[in-house]
Order: sequence, then C-alpha cells, then structure tokens
Amino acid sequence: DGGITQSPKYLFRKEGQNVTLSCEQNLNHDAMYWYRQDPGQGLRLIYYSQIVNDFQKGDIAEGYSVSREKKESFPLTVTSAQKNPTAFYLCASRDSLLSGNTIYFGEGSWLTVV
Amino acid sequence: DQQVKQNSPSLSVQEGRISILNCDYTNSMFDYFLWYKKYPAEGPTFLISISSIKDKNEDGRFTVFLNKSAKHLSLHIVPSQPGDSAVYFCAAVYGNKLVFGAGTILRVKS
Repeated sequence: DGGITQSPKYLFRKEGQNVTLSCEQNLNHDAMYWYRQDPGQGLRLIYYSQIVNDFQKGDIAEGYSVSREKKESFPLTVTSAQKNPTAFYLCASRDSLLSGNTIYFGEGSWLTVV
Repeated sequence: DQQVKQNSPSLSVQEGRISILNCDYTNSMFDYFLWYKKYPAEGPTFLISISSIKDKNEDGRFTVFLNKSAKHLSLHIVPSQPGDSAVYFCAAVYGNKLVFGAGTILRVKS
C-alpha cells in the first residue's frame, strides 16, 4: 500500500540530546513537509523540500535540521538548540508536479523531553 | 503573521443539523484551498478542496464555498453526525508551500 510512514510513534529525549524522526513515503511524491502541532494549536511548518537535495525553512525552523538525500526520505533532527521540543510532529508529502493536488500525512510522532 | 485564520476555536452542533466552519486568509497568491479533519494523535485526513477559480465544490455531505473578494472560505457539513466530531483545519496553497489555520474543534451532539 502507498503511504507515508513515520517512526517512531513515541520518542523520549533527554535534555541536551539530538533526536531524529524518520519519514518515508512510497508515493513517488516530489515535495515533503514537516509540521509541528502543540496542544490546542494548529499545524506550524518547520521545513519543506520540493526536490531531492533541496529544502527550505518554514515558519519555525530554529532548532531543527533536515536532509533530503533520497526522494522517499525526509528525516527531521530535533537538536538540543530547540528549547521546547515536546510536541506532536507530522510529516507530509505532495506530488508537486500536479497543480491543485492534496497533501498526505503520516500518522505522526510524539516527542517528549524528560 | 498568520496568513490563514480560523477564528472560532470550537463549534458545537446538534446531530442532523448543519455545521459551518469558517476560514479567512490574507494572501491573494493562494490558489488552492483544502480542508482536513484530524483526530487526536493521528495525522490529518483530507476532506475536500477547492481551486481559486471556483466558488463551490461539493462532495457528499461536505461542501466548500470560496469568496475570493472577501478572502473567505467555509466548510458546510450537512447533516452533521457524531462521527464528524474532530478538529478541522483549513489550508491554503501557493507554489509548494501549504499554510494551515489553527483549527476548529467540532462537537456534534447526539
């Protein structure tokens, strides 16, 4: 089945640690996205990538880093510089070659700082 | 700068009645709009979309209306069902950037 797979579903991070959230898609989509959702708030864009080896900062990129070495993969690293990383993280993808097409989301990853 | 706004944090509707969810935007470059439904701890699922060249799109119980001059879109759900209770996000697209509103919690009472 085609889709977007995020892992792990739950992740605990100690203060000062970097952690990486995985996002893999087999939809052959060009564009991929990372969003963050905090309780009671909407989805805020962290980073997005339109093609392999290219990515742009979203609205809240500070403390995060990404890579796009393969079309199907867009991992997000939450660095120790991110002061408030506890949130629900959503990865998404979209076929940028088709105008007006929808974006598809993974099931999300919960990150908690302990 | 919030380019997409959903000014109602929550909405409560009786089962069988109409639910109307509203969304306003500020960027006239947006050319496509989408509505997503989200349950807690799950990824959003796509509901319905509309291109900026249209003013209405209908899919079953869901209808989206777009008023470009007012920079306003709305989602109508008729009839509302208890299973519709969720958070609804509107989103706007330009280029490859997708911007979401803060969401509206819909509660459908039986």
